[in-house]
Amino acid sequence: DTGVSQDPRHKITKRGQNVTFRCDPISEHNRLYWYRQTLGQGPEFLTYFQNEAQLEKSRLLSDRFSAERPKGSFSTLEIQRTEQGDSAMYLCASSLSDGPQPQHFGDGTRLSIL
Amino acid sequence: DAKTTQPNSMESNEEEPVHLPCNHSTISGTDYIHWYRQLPSQGPEYVIHGLTSNVNNRMASLAIAEDRKSSTLILHRATLRDAAVYYCILIGQNFVFGPGTRLSVLP
Repeated sequence: DTGVSQDPRHKITKRGQNVTFRCDPISEHNRLYWYRQTLGQGPEFLTYFQNEAQLEKSRLLSDRFSAERPKGSFSTLEIQRTEQGDSAMYLCASSLSDGPQPQHFGDGTRLSIL
Repeated sequence: DAKTTQPNSMESNEEEPVHLPCNHSTISGTDYIHWYRQLPSQGPEYVIHGLTSNVNNRMASLAIAEDRKSSTLILHRATLRDAAVYYCILIGQNFVFGPGTRLSVLP
């Protein structure tokens, strides 16, 4: 169990640029989740996949946010035309899909918008 | 979405038991109660979960009220490493974290 890996750990970009984050889940986990966390708040659910199927995306914050998991393994979260308010920690988690399995989180990507 | 309510902060002395409460009065019959904790600059870490019965594992115990409208996470002997933000969440169709309880452990 190598854990959930997220890359990069930190991203600094200018307002209006596009950014993409990568998440590598635990290898045998077929569910993958994306969350956003701002200072002093709990994680805010964005979307999740079961294998390559995106089962819930209504919580994505706007149409500037999109996520993919093309082969059911790693996933990417893209934010287009970044805004100041997008500055946050973006967390990825994975789990088995049978029943209410615990989610295993990565340590996140911290995004700072200049 | 079913929501949870937790105290903003709690304090404990090292090596004493800690009881962290959570209210979830709108829980549905299929929602599981999960607890996670988060240390600074890290992602949340799974602690324990349950449906109806009390649960024990190496990290903690979970006591669930008979009507399931509340639960309590029990750390039997707090250590300095247990200082973290503790989240109680309901896992059903949605994954909603509240602001959690910040636990401070005093030496």
